[in-house]
Amino acid sequence: QITLKESGPTLVKPTQTLTLTCTFSGFSLTTTGVGVGWIRQPPGKALEWLALIYWDDDKRYSPSLKTRLTITKDTSKNQVVLTMTNMDPVDTATYYCAHNYEVLGFDYWGQGTLVTVSS
Amino acid sequence: QSVLTQPPSASGTPGQRVTISCSGSSSNIGSNYAYWYQQLPGTAPKLLIFRGNQRPSGVPDRFSGSKSGTSASLAISGLRSEDEADYYCAAWDDSLSAWVFGGGTKLTVL
Repeated sequence: QITLKESGPTLVKPTQTLTLTCTFSGFSLTTTGVGVGWIRQPPGKALEWLALIYWDDDKRYSPSLKTRLTITKDTSKNQVVLTMTNMDPVDTATYYCAHNYEVLGFDYWGQGTLVTVSS
Repeated sequence: QSVLTQPPSASGTPGQRVTISCSGSSSNIGSNYAYWYQQLPGTAPKLLIFRGNQRPSGVPDRFSGSKSGTSASLAISGLRSEDEADYYCAAWDDSLSAWVFGGGTKLTVL
């Protein structure tokens, strides 16, 4: 059974760096074809893909946010970490991590964590 | 402004068939699979359709996906009150080297 859970601060100040951790179980990020991605959703708005890291450490980023994002993995801990620099109130959103596997796309999602950016 | 274009809303009565469209381009839906997600109020998105027209285990066959050129569609037949949710399409975009989502469609069951 695949599960994912996001953790991190619920409140960050403008200009600060956000660090979110996705802890997963039921699969390994060393398995060929497997990836873990991050998607966010501002309140009342649409989903926005942020980043994706694959089993072979290949990394992909949203072109519009690429300069602010870093995604890493720790296969021994079954964790994926996303950092986003220079946070702004417009970055207030629920952040989801999701399992990605070849043609299945993002087939399992975490429950999401709401991050508010405010001074 | 989303890369994939969906109608903001759709509606139908119980038992009806409803279709939600997702318009893209040659670099996303035109050359890659479309995916559909259902998001019930206050919950995480759930994969509804993958690889354009495949349903994960547990998704009723009332839900079906199709594609024509650079557009994809989600059809829901035998509409039920529990289908009231937001629906999102997604695809990989070769030009952007990024996953792209539609703006979402809020389905109301009248």
